[in-house]
Amino acid sequence: AQRVTQPEKLLSVFKGAPVELKCNYSYSGSPELFWYVQYSRQRLQLLLRHISRESIKGFTADLNKGETSFHLKKPFAQEEDSAMYYCALSDDYKLSFGAGTTVTVRA
Amino acid sequence: DAGVTQSPTHLIKTRGQQVTLRCSPKSGHDTVSWYQQALGQGPQFIFQYYEEEERQRGNFPDRFSGHQFPNYSSELNVNALLLGDSALYLCASSLAGGGRSYNEQFFGPGTRLTVL
Repeated sequence: AQRVTQPEKLLSVFKGAPVELKCNYSYSGSPELFWYVQYSRQRLQLLLRHISRESIKGFTADLNKGETSFHLKKPFAQEEDSAMYYCALSDDYKLSFGAGTTVTVRA
Repeated sequence: DAGVTQSPTHLIKTRGQQVTLRCSPKSGHDTVSWYQQALGQGPQFIFQYYEEEERQRGNFPDRFSGHQFPNYSSELNVNALLLGDSALYLCASSLAGGGRSYNEQFFGPGTRLTVL
């Protein structure tokens, strides 16, 4: 069965510092992975997906099949990046989410 | 387009009661998925509806049932409520692609259910 693990519940960084959110997965097939974000008082929304290989709001994520990881990175964190981040894996039609990481960017 | 809408926003029920939650998908979308998000956890997939039928189901008991209407809106019904059913219930809509490929799911604001 598929499983997504986000080992960090909370992450606090200073503005301008790099930030990395860890995500590990287990899946028997060829995974399709995503990062979702939820800003304060807003709904859950897609941040990026690995197949698009694009940078969104300065964030990038690389799928490492050898390490079964899909870590999210940003070189210079901004205060507006403070949010809840979820890593998710697509299996057929459903999404399997990790428990989430709360990121706080301090001035 | 208001995007995915859900009603009600909040709901309080007692154990043993039944509840119905409603979802209207984003304009142009034909597929609705339901998720349960307990406090401090990520969303857990309940089931997905497409063409008015349940297409896939997560690991939830039969007390959880659903329906999709011809206008693509959907309902989630939970019978014999337990304290553990207290959670945020999220609806997500998407546009079905060919085969089993994933299409981006757009989430609603959720319905907060409290079971006393």
